[in-house]
Amino acid sequence: ETGVTQTPRHLVMGMTNKKSLKCEQHLGHNAMYWYKQSAKKPLELMFVYSLEERVENNSVPSRFSPECPNSSHLFLHLHTLQPEDSALYLCASSQDTSGYNEQFFGPGTRLTVL
Amino acid sequence: GDSVTQMEGPVTLSEEAFLTINCTYTATGYPSLFWYVQYPGEGLQLLLKATKADDKGSNKGFEATYRKETTSFHLEKGSVQVSDSAVYFCALSVPHGNTGKLIFGQGTTLQVKP
Repeated sequence: ETGVTQTPRHLVMGMTNKKSLKCEQHLGHNAMYWYKQSAKKPLELMFVYSLEERVENNSVPSRFSPECPNSSHLFLHLHTLQPEDSALYLCASSQDTSGYNEQFFGPGTRLTVL
Repeated sequence: GDSVTQMEGPVTLSEEAFLTINCTYTATGYPSLFWYVQYPGEGLQLLLKATKADDKGSNKGFEATYRKETTSFHLEKGSVQVSDSAVYFCALSVPHGNTGKLIFGQGTTLQVKP
């Protein structure tokens, strides 16, 4: 595997379910990100991790819980979601969080909340 | 605050037509500027970037010049192909300590017809 991978690619869940999204980067990067992409809205940055430490949390509801066990893996744990949380969730990584380096994106997980 | 404004789409062109997608930005400091492309069913890919005023980024026939005086970073291509059909995102990054983050425009959908 190369680049940034995400699993699952598609997920349908009820509002009472608990599920997790997984992201893995094979680029040796130190920073990882979660974004939410909804129809007709700009990409929303959710969380930023630098060297496994969360450095940014953009007022995301607590029903989204990130976890970064090491610099190659990032999870997004989901529980008691709402239908408006249905979106494409994108993971990205970059060399660092300086802002000078490009971010590499995974293919995303298409989430549908019933 | 920092922001990016893109022309609204969709933009519909015939093959071999000239493409311009306008992008203007507002930023404190000295941003880096990026164009990302998202093909159907995929994540975002970096198309080109420019890190200082008057720099020109180019890739796959696409070009954009960092214009500080007009705070713009318009994307151009001389002759589009059907395979260029995608959503194009303009973005900026302003380093803020250890949390330099990408701020995206809303995206412009390009449809190229044979």
